Amino acid sequence: QKEVEQNSGPLSVPEGAIASLNCTYSDRVSQSFFWYRQYSGKSPELIMSIYSNGDKEDGRFTAQLNKASQYVSLLIRDSQPSDSATYLCAVKRGNKLVFGAGTILRVKS
Amino acid sequence: DADVTQTPRNRITKTGKRIMLECSQTKGHDRMYWYRQDPGLGLRLIYYSFDVKDINKGEISDGYSVSRQAQAKFSLSLESAIPNQTALYFCATSDDLVAGYTFGSGTRLTVV
Repeated sequence: QKEVEQNSGPLSVPEGAIASLNCTYSDRVSQSFFWYRQYSGKSPELIMSIYSNGDKEDGRFTAQLNKASQYVSLLIRDSQPSDSATYLCAVKRGNKLVFGAGTILRVKS
Repeated sequence: DADVTQTPRNRITKTGKRIMLECSQTKGHDRMYWYRQDPGLGLRLIYYSFDVKDINKGEISDGYSVSRQAQAKFSLSLESAIPNQTALYFCATSDDLVAGYTFGSGTRLTVV
């Protein structure tokens, strides 16, 4: 079992819809979680971080964390073609981040 | 100028050659990391360092070495490059991981 798992996709949504990206992790003691967006050939950029159970909202983005289920998700409201990218989930383990393989999101106009 | 600068941006090298990838940062972060990214495998940690005297192996350190020349500089070397080291390499820095990483722009390495 991988430490951080994501569905590779691609996840296709129409413009204006809600995109839901999911991530599960295996280490029950994990406390800090991050979502990165990566455009093709570019470096990852941080979208959201979340540490507590529940929801955290930032503009069109909402991160959701459920530590009991070892599950973290990212919702993107009013999806735009510019949101088309690979989304990486990362979990803090000790002094480093462990990344999932990423989910490809395609927003169709 | 970028906070985390990687050089070169692209490199094609031959099997068996020694190659060095360089990373410098102006963030003032103590923690620096080298990852490689392969399609379908995500980002995998090669080496990381918390100061010039502290070097730690990641999950895939075989075939690689690093040097932390200063707080701001962290280099990755491939002593004898092989084709399966063809990948996108990222340097990242962090303060205390509360804000995650700041990534460099990446080095695309091709070993032929």
